[in-house]
Amino acid sequence: KNQVEQSPQSLIILEGKNCTLQCNYTVSPFSNLRWYKQDTGRGPVSLTIMTFSENTKSNGRYTATLDADTKQSSLHITASQLSDSASYICVVAMTGGSYIPTFGRGTSLIVHP
Amino acid sequence: KAGVTQTPRYLIKTRGQQVTLSCSPISGHRSVSWYQQTPGQGLQFLFEYFSETQRNKGNFPGRFSGRQFSNSRSEMNVSTLELGDSALYLCASSSGGTGARTGELFFGEGSRLTVL
Repeated sequence: KNQVEQSPQSLIILEGKNCTLQCNYTVSPFSNLRWYKQDTGRGPVSLTIMTFSENTKSNGRYTATLDADTKQSSLHITASQLSDSASYICVVAMTGGSYIPTFGRGTSLIVHP
Repeated sequence: KAGVTQTPRYLIKTRGQQVTLSCSPISGHRSVSWYQQTPGQGLQFLFEYFSETQRNKGNFPGRFSGRQFSNSRSEMNVSTLELGDSALYLCASSSGGTGARTGELFFGEGSRLTVL
């Protein structure tokens, strides 16, 4: 069964600190992996999308890494800001066949001043 | 450029009723996909429409249906509502021929449905 597991479930950090969120998946065959940021009460916003051949992709203070061999991805947030408080969701899609993405349950990040 | 617009934003229905939600994609986007988000199950894919054709469908019962019009606007319908259908329903649009599979998704703010 295709699964996407995210850890930690929740995280509290101080403003200015860095943090790393994890995403492990069993989805196969792999097409791409996305990270989304979802503020409370809002729709998700795309941060990065990575394919099999990509190891690292950055979007401002957000850097995603992908290890397709171990089926692991991480999202690193540098110099956190209060506005980074949100849920971060990892989504993995298969290649071929019907498109049915598998979502992780998300990591809830709270940044305190 | 206007973003993805979903209406209504909030609605309350009772069990057994049906509901229709609307989604207007970003101008020029031909792919519209729908998702259900609940605290218990998280985000789940419902279906994707591309140029008026359903291209992909998630694992939801037939009570959940949708359609797409020639202007790419999309609607989803849920018939015979159940308490468990209470959720945030999100739609996303994407440009390009590959649609939701590989294209960047732009989400709307969602329609929050409460079933009593």
